[in-house]
Amino acid sequence: DAGITQSPRHKVTETGTPVTLRCHQTENHRYMYWYRQDPGHGLRLIHYSYGVKDTDKGEVSDGYSVSRSKTEDFLLTLESATSSQTSVYFCAISDQTSGHYNEQFFGPGTRLTVL
Amino acid sequence: AQSVTQLDSQVPVFEEAPVELRCNYSSSVSVYLFWYVQYPNQGLQLLLKYLSGSTLVESINGFEAEFNKSQTSFHLRKPSVHISDTAEYFCAVTEAMNTGFQKLVFGTGTRLLVSP
Repeated sequence: DAGITQSPRHKVTETGTPVTLRCHQTENHRYMYWYRQDPGHGLRLIHYSYGVKDTDKGEVSDGYSVSRSKTEDFLLTLESATSSQTSVYFCAISDQTSGHYNEQFFGPGTRLTVL
Repeated sequence: AQSVTQLDSQVPVFEEAPVELRCNYSSSVSVYLFWYVQYPNQGLQLLLKYLSGSTLVESINGFEAEFNKSQTSFHLRKPSVHISDTAEYFCAVTEAMNTGFQKLVFGTGTRLLVSP
C-alpha cells in the first residue's frame, strides 16, 4: 500500500470554527490532491499541489485553503466550517514519470462532521 | 472537459450471480478510464484501468471492463460475484497522455450489494 496517512480520521466540530486536516505521504510523490466525497456526487477535487508551495484550485474550492510547506505534507484548512462541509475528505498522491500514466493512490479518509 | 455517468446508484445481486455496473463518459479528447473500488470505511483502490491497447481489461479478482469508444462506455462485469465484492464502485476518467497533474473526474458511484 502507498504510504499515505490522514489525520484526524474523525472529527466533529461546530459551525464557525477553523479546522485543519493533514495528509502525510512517505512516497516522495510530486502531486497531492484533496477530494471530498458526498452521496450522489462521487468524489470532487477541492485543491491540488504540484510541488512545495505550488497549489491550485479544483472544482469545489470555495471555503477551503491548502498549504504544502514540505513534499510529504499537504494541509487542508476550513477557515470557518459550515454544515455544508460535512463530508468525507480524501487525500491522494501521484508521481510524475515521463511517458507513463501515474496512478493516483488514496488515503484512508477523514470523516468531518460540522454541527 | 470530461464527465462520467454511472446509471445505477445501487445494484443488488445474489452471490454467484453475474453483475454489470454501467459507466458512460463524455469527452472531446482521448481518455484514460478507471474503475475504483471502495470497501466500507476505507479509501479508494484502483480496480482496473484502460490506457491503450486491448479494449478488454481485467483485474486480479475476476472483474473485467470493456472500453467501447463508439458507445462511450466502460462497463464493469463479473461473471460470478462473492459476498466480499460488496462495496461501492466508482468509474473515473482523465485526459489521455497526461503524465503530470491528472484531473480525475469521478462518477457518482454504484453500490454493489451481494447477498447470500
